[in-house]
Amino acid sequence: GQQLNQSPQSMFIQEGEDVSMNCTSSSIFNTWLWYKQDPGEGPVLLIALYKAGELTSNGRLTAQFGITRKDSFLNISASIPSDVGIYFCAGDRVGSNYKLTFGKGTLLTVNP
Amino acid sequence: NAGVTQTPKFQVLKTGQSMTLQCAQDMNHEYMSWYRQDPGMGLRLIHYSVGAGITDQGEVPNGYNVSRSTTEDFPLRLLSAAPSQTSVYFCASRRLLNEQFFGPGTRLTVL
Repeated sequence: GQQLNQSPQSMFIQEGEDVSMNCTSSSIFNTWLWYKQDPGEGPVLLIALYKAGELTSNGRLTAQFGITRKDSFLNISASIPSDVGIYFCAGDRVGSNYKLTFGKGTLLTVNP
Repeated sequence: NAGVTQTPKFQVLKTGQSMTLQCAQDMNHEYMSWYRQDPGMGLRLIHYSVGAGITDQGEVPNGYNVSRSTTEDFPLRLLSAAPSQTSVYFCASRRLLNEQFFGPGTRLTVL
């Protein structure tokens, strides 16, 4: 089953605000992946992280692989209405035989 | 590259009917998997494969079969559909320990 704690579950923000969400676990991970899912669509990969401490950006999005290898965060700067959607974290837990573990998602609503 | 493709996009079945959800990828990825997504439950792994000829069960395999005769294709078969299988199904592929890419999904309703 899922062993990733993703928070917050939902966020309601004003356009232009910055957003931060994170995933934590008691297990150690080899990779962290962050996805966005729009209604009626499949998850789309935003950022992939492969090394502890790694900080990677994709436009207004920045994600980090926690130094303990048990957590990761995603920041969105200067949010815009099209940022609305569900954001998932996922990772390769050590010993999981390539099966990704998923968080349950953060529902982001942006008020124009 | 088309990435991960799934057909059909929508399907309605009657209880007891069987069908196959198709999935294909053109990225030469070793690993392919099937998930179902239900409200409040997140993504749950049904079956996965680490290469042609190799398949294994995920966390919710009952009522589903898979096969992997080629690297590209990974069909999911519902043997006798039940209302509890009403869900959105996603196929995904990845190169091992790299990014995983999802298909657009199949929305299945079982009456």
